[in-house]
Amino acid sequence: SQQGEEDPQALSIQEGENATMNCSYKTSINNLQWYRQNSGRGLVHLILIRSNEREKHSGRLRVTLDTSKKSSSLLITASRAADTASYFCATDQSGAQKLVFGQGTRLTINP
Amino acid sequence: NAGVTQTPKFRVLKTGQSMTLLCAQDMNHEYMYWYRQDPGMGLRLIHYSVGEGTTAKGEVPDGYNVSRLKKQNFLLGLESAAPSQTSVYFCASSYFGSTQYFGPGTRLTVL
Repeated sequence: SQQGEEDPQALSIQEGENATMNCSYKTSINNLQWYRQNSGRGLVHLILIRSNEREKHSGRLRVTLDTSKKSSSLLITASRAADTASYFCATDQSGAQKLVFGQGTRLTINP
Repeated sequence: NAGVTQTPKFRVLKTGQSMTLLCAQDMNHEYMYWYRQDPGMGLRLIHYSVGEGTTAKGEVPDGYNVSRLKKQNFLLGLESAAPSQTSVYFCASSYFGSTQYFGPGTRLTVL
Protein backbone atom coordinates (compact mmCIF):
# COMPACT_ATOMS: atom_id res chain seq x y z
CA SER A 1 0.00 0.00 0.00
CA GLN A 2 1.10 3.56 -0.59
CA GLN A 3 2.74 5.29 2.36
CA GLY A 4 2.24 8.84 1.19
CA GLU A 5 -1.17 10.19 0.34
CA GLU A 6 -1.26 13.50 -1.49
CA ASP A 7 -4.07 15.99 -1.29
CA PRO A 8 -5.56 17.31 -3.48
CA GLN A 9 -5.31 14.85 -6.37
CA ALA A 10 -5.61 17.74 -8.81
CA LEU A 11 -5.16 21.49 -8.47
CA SER A 12 -5.72 24.22 -11.05
CA ILE A 13 -4.72 27.82 -10.35
CA GLN A 14 -3.88 31.04 -12.17
CA GLU A 15 -0.34 32.00 -12.97
CA GLY A 16 1.14 34.06 -10.17
CA GLU A 17 -0.92 32.43 -7.43
CA ASN A 18 0.54 30.16 -4.79
CA ALA A 19 0.01 26.39 -4.89
CA THR A 20 -0.11 24.21 -1.81
CA MET A 21 -0.02 20.42 -1.82
CA ASN A 22 -0.21 18.16 1.18
CA CYS A 23 1.14 14.71 1.96
CA SER A 24 0.28 12.37 4.81
CA TYR A 25 2.13 9.21 5.78
CA LYS A 26 1.76 6.38 8.25
CA THR A 27 5.07 5.25 9.74
CA SER A 28 8.25 6.73 11.18
CA ILE A 29 10.52 8.26 8.57
CA ASN A 30 14.13 9.32 8.15
CA ASN A 31 13.21 11.96 5.63
CA LEU A 32 10.49 13.04 3.22
CA GLN A 33 11.18 14.07 -0.35
CA TRP A 34 9.22 15.86 -3.04
CA TYR A 35 9.58 15.10 -6.73
CA ARG A 36 8.17 16.68 -9.89
CA GLN A 37 7.18 14.84 -13.05
CA ASN A 38 6.51 16.63 -16.29
CA SER A 39 4.20 14.83 -18.68
CA GLY A 40 5.90 11.81 -20.23
CA ARG A 41 9.15 12.32 -18.33
CA GLY A 42 10.97 10.77 -15.39
CA LEU A 43 10.72 12.21 -11.90
CA VAL A 44 13.02 14.99 -10.79
CA HIS A 45 14.00 15.53 -7.18
CA LEU A 46 12.95 18.90 -5.76
CA ILE A 47 13.69 18.98 -2.06
CA LEU A 48 14.40 16.73 0.93
CA ILE A 49 13.42 17.45 4.52
CA ARG A 50 14.80 15.37 7.36
CA SER A 51 12.69 14.13 10.25
CA ASN A 52 14.34 16.58 12.66
CA GLU A 53 13.60 19.58 10.43
CA ARG A 54 10.33 21.51 10.43
CA GLU A 55 10.70 23.78 7.41
CA LYS A 56 12.96 24.08 4.41
CA HIS A 57 13.19 26.50 1.50
CA SER A 58 14.58 26.19 -2.00
CA GLY A 59 13.92 29.08 -4.35
CA ARG A 60 10.14 29.39 -4.73
CA LEU A 61 9.57 26.13 -2.85
CA ARG A 62 8.76 25.85 0.83
CA VAL A 63 8.33 22.49 2.52
CA THR A 64 7.06 21.89 6.02
CA LEU A 65 7.09 18.68 8.02
CA ASP A 66 5.00 17.86 11.08
CA THR A 67 6.11 14.48 12.39
CA SER A 68 3.50 14.52 15.17
CA LYS A 69 0.75 14.67 12.54
CA LYS A 70 2.73 12.62 10.01
CA SER A 71 2.16 15.23 7.34
CA SER A 72 4.06 17.52 5.01
CA SER A 73 3.15 20.36 2.70
CA LEU A 74 4.78 21.76 -0.41
CA LEU A 75 4.17 25.41 -1.23
CA ILE A 76 5.09 26.83 -4.63
CA THR A 77 4.98 30.62 -4.58
CA ALA A 78 4.34 32.91 -7.57
CA SER A 79 3.48 29.99 -9.83
CA ARG A 80 4.49 29.91 -13.48
CA ALA A 81 3.15 27.99 -16.46
CA ALA A 82 6.32 25.88 -16.37
CA ASP A 83 5.30 24.60 -12.91
CA THR A 84 2.52 22.59 -14.55
CA ALA A 85 3.39 18.99 -13.63
CA SER A 86 2.59 16.19 -11.21
CA TYR A 87 4.14 16.41 -7.77
CA PHE A 88 4.89 13.38 -5.62
CA CYS A 89 5.92 13.02 -2.03
CA ALA A 90 8.10 10.08 -1.07
CA THR A 91 8.98 8.82 2.37
CA ASP A 92 12.23 7.23 3.43
CA GLN A 93 11.01 4.94 6.17
CA SER A 94 13.18 4.21 9.17
CA GLY A 95 15.18 1.03 8.57
CA ALA A 96 14.10 0.67 4.95
CA GLN A 97 16.33 0.96 1.93
CA LYS A 98 13.76 2.39 -0.43
CA LEU A 99 11.29 5.25 -0.89
CA VAL A 100 7.55 4.88 -0.90
CA PHE A 101 5.77 7.26 -3.25
CA GLY A 102 2.30 8.72 -3.03
CA GLN A 103 -0.09 8.90 -5.94
CA GLY A 104 0.73 12.51 -6.70
CA THR A 105 -0.98 15.87 -7.16
CA ARG A 106 -1.53 17.04 -10.70
CA LEU A 107 -0.92 20.80 -10.79
CA THR A 108 -2.10 22.94 -13.70
CA ILE A 109 -1.08 26.59 -13.95
CA ASN A 110 -3.40 28.59 -16.20
CA PRO A 111 -1.91 31.61 -18.01
CA ASN B 1 27.44 12.50 -17.24
CA ALA B 2 24.50 10.78 -18.90
CA GLY B 3 22.88 10.08 -15.51
CA VAL B 4 20.34 7.24 -15.71
CA THR B 5 19.54 5.84 -19.14
CA GLN B 6 16.94 3.26 -20.13
CA THR B 7 16.73 1.02 -23.17
CA PRO B 8 14.43 0.77 -25.08
CA LYS B 9 12.19 3.85 -24.91
CA PHE B 10 9.17 2.10 -26.42
CA ARG B 11 8.25 -1.53 -26.96
CA VAL B 12 5.18 -3.46 -28.08
CA LEU B 13 4.96 -7.13 -27.14
CA LYS B 14 2.47 -9.89 -27.75
CA THR B 15 1.12 -11.86 -24.79
CA GLY B 16 3.59 -14.56 -23.82
CA GLN B 17 6.66 -12.92 -25.32
CA SER B 18 9.68 -12.11 -23.20
CA MET B 19 11.90 -9.07 -23.04
CA THR B 20 14.57 -7.37 -20.98
CA LEU B 21 14.70 -3.71 -20.05
CA LEU B 22 18.14 -2.27 -19.44
CA CYS B 23 18.96 0.49 -16.97
CA ALA B 24 22.41 2.02 -16.78
CA GLN B 25 23.81 4.71 -14.49
CA ASP B 26 27.18 6.44 -14.52
CA MET B 27 27.04 8.04 -11.08
CA ASN B 28 28.61 5.13 -9.18
CA HIS B 29 25.41 4.74 -7.16
CA GLU B 30 25.02 1.68 -4.96
CA TYR B 31 21.23 1.47 -5.01
CA MET B 32 19.07 0.91 -8.08
CA TYR B 33 15.31 0.53 -8.47
CA TRP B 34 12.65 -0.50 -10.96
CA TYR B 35 9.18 1.06 -10.77
CA ARG B 36 6.06 0.86 -12.83
CA GLN B 37 3.65 3.75 -13.22
CA ASP B 38 0.04 3.29 -14.19
CA PRO B 39 -2.59 6.01 -14.55
CA GLY B 40 -3.84 7.10 -11.15
CA MET B 41 -1.59 4.63 -9.31
CA GLY B 42 1.55 6.64 -8.77
CA LEU B 43 4.85 4.77 -8.70
CA ARG B 44 5.00 1.19 -7.48
CA LEU B 45 8.31 -0.49 -6.69
CA ILE B 46 8.91 -3.76 -8.54
CA HIS B 47 12.41 -4.79 -7.46
CA TYR B 48 15.46 -3.02 -6.13
CA SER B 49 19.13 -3.62 -5.47
CA VAL B 50 21.39 -2.28 -2.75
CA GLY B 51 24.62 -3.33 -4.43
CA GLU B 52 26.24 -5.38 -7.16
CA GLY B 53 25.01 -8.96 -7.03
CA THR B 54 22.05 -8.22 -4.73
CA THR B 55 18.35 -7.92 -5.49
CA ALA B 56 15.20 -7.63 -3.40
CA LYS B 57 11.46 -7.68 -4.01
CA GLY B 58 9.41 -4.54 -3.90
CA GLU B 59 5.68 -4.00 -3.76
CA VAL B 60 4.69 -5.67 -7.07
CA PRO B 61 7.39 -8.24 -8.02
CA ASP B 62 5.24 -10.99 -9.56
CA GLY B 63 5.92 -11.63 -13.23
CA TYR B 64 9.28 -9.84 -13.19
CA ASN B 65 12.87 -10.84 -12.56
CA VAL B 66 15.95 -8.68 -12.15
CA SER B 67 19.71 -8.99 -12.18
CA ARG B 68 22.54 -6.70 -11.06
CA LEU B 69 25.70 -8.34 -12.40
CA LYS B 70 27.50 -5.02 -12.74
CA LYS B 71 27.20 -2.05 -10.41
CA GLN B 72 26.20 0.31 -13.19
CA ASN B 73 23.50 -1.89 -14.75
CA PHE B 74 20.15 -3.16 -13.51
CA LEU B 75 18.12 -5.41 -15.80
CA LEU B 76 14.38 -6.03 -15.57
CA GLY B 77 13.04 -9.12 -17.28
CA LEU B 78 9.54 -10.16 -18.26
CA GLU B 79 9.52 -13.90 -18.91
CA SER B 80 5.97 -14.18 -20.27
CA ALA B 81 4.38 -10.80 -20.84
CA ALA B 82 0.73 -10.22 -19.95
CA PRO B 83 -1.59 -7.31 -20.84
CA SER B 84 -1.58 -6.34 -17.15
CA GLN B 85 2.10 -5.47 -17.54
CA THR B 86 1.28 -2.67 -19.96
CA SER B 87 2.76 0.31 -18.18
CA VAL B 88 5.51 2.89 -18.09
CA TYR B 89 8.63 1.55 -16.41
CA PHE B 90 11.09 3.80 -14.64
CA CYS B 91 14.52 3.01 -13.36
CA ALA B 92 16.18 5.05 -10.63
CA SER B 93 19.44 5.05 -8.74
CA SER B 94 20.64 6.60 -5.52
CA TYR B 95 23.68 6.89 -3.31
CA PHE B 96 22.86 4.66 -0.36
CA GLY B 97 19.10 5.20 -0.39
CA SER B 98 18.88 8.97 -0.42
CA THR B 99 17.77 11.19 -3.31
CA GLN B 100 16.80 9.11 -6.33
CA TYR B 101 17.70 9.97 -9.90
CA PHE B 102 15.29 8.73 -12.51
CA GLY B 103 15.65 7.59 -16.09
CA PRO B 104 13.33 8.81 -18.87
CA GLY B 105 11.13 5.71 -18.78
CA THR B 106 10.17 2.84 -21.08
CA ARG B 107 6.64 2.71 -22.39
CA LEU B 108 5.61 -0.95 -22.77
CA THR B 109 2.43 -2.18 -24.40
CA VAL B 110 1.44 -5.84 -24.23
CA LEU B 111 -1.21 -6.90 -26.72
